[in-house]
Amino acid sequence: DVKVTQSSRYLVKRTGEKVFLECVQDMDHENMFWYRQDPGLGLRLIYFSYDVKMKEKGDIPEGYSVSREKKERFSLILESASTNQTSMYLCASSSEGSGNTIYFGEGSWLTVV
Amino acid sequence: DQQVKQNSPSLSVQEGRISILNCDYTNSMFDYFLWYKKYPAEGPTFLISISSIKDKNEDGRFTVFLNKSAKHLSLHIVPSQPGDSAVYFCAARRNSYGGSQGNLIFGKGTKLSVKP
Repeated sequence: DVKVTQSSRYLVKRTGEKVFLECVQDMDHENMFWYRQDPGLGLRLIYFSYDVKMKEKGDIPEGYSVSREKKERFSLILESASTNQTSMYLCASSSEGSGNTIYFGEGSWLTVV
Repeated sequence: DQQVKQNSPSLSVQEGRISILNCDYTNSMFDYFLWYKKYPAEGPTFLISISSIKDKNEDGRFTVFLNKSAKHLSLHIVPSQPGDSAVYFCAARRNSYGGSQGNLIFGKGTKLSVKP
């Protein structure tokens, strides 16, 4: 089974803090993604990466950055957290051989106060 | 500009009956469609998919239908069970977005409640 692990399930941070959300996948997938889920807005793509050290902006990259130093790890960084970044963050991965399916982690609930 | 639309935010169905979840899309370049199921406080899990060259795909109680001319797909669950109660997301693949396969656009989701 594919395993996508997000390091923190629940976080509470203060406005202006730097926040790191870590994600690790164990299936040697080339592609990794960060989405956020908000009520009434569905899942929106923040950033994705299709190779080590490669990154591409998704639909809502503003206020975020990412890092992919190793194939299995994809980090989402909030340089200066704001209250409108309170959300559920979902990491996902896929491979060219996984038949278009992407696999999600359990999600990280971030509250910015 | 929503490219993948799920116009019904919620649906309630009696156990044993059919659940039909609908999804419309606007981009004719989408080449693959998927349905994901999500329970509260968990990540979405893949349910079923269909290629744009097909019009039907079936997996047990789940069937997805694709009508390309109408840019419409639907997920049928029959018979519906209480354990099917979840939020269902329709997703479409952007096959030329940044050169990466598996990059999906999601609808806003439909919350299905199956009542015993």
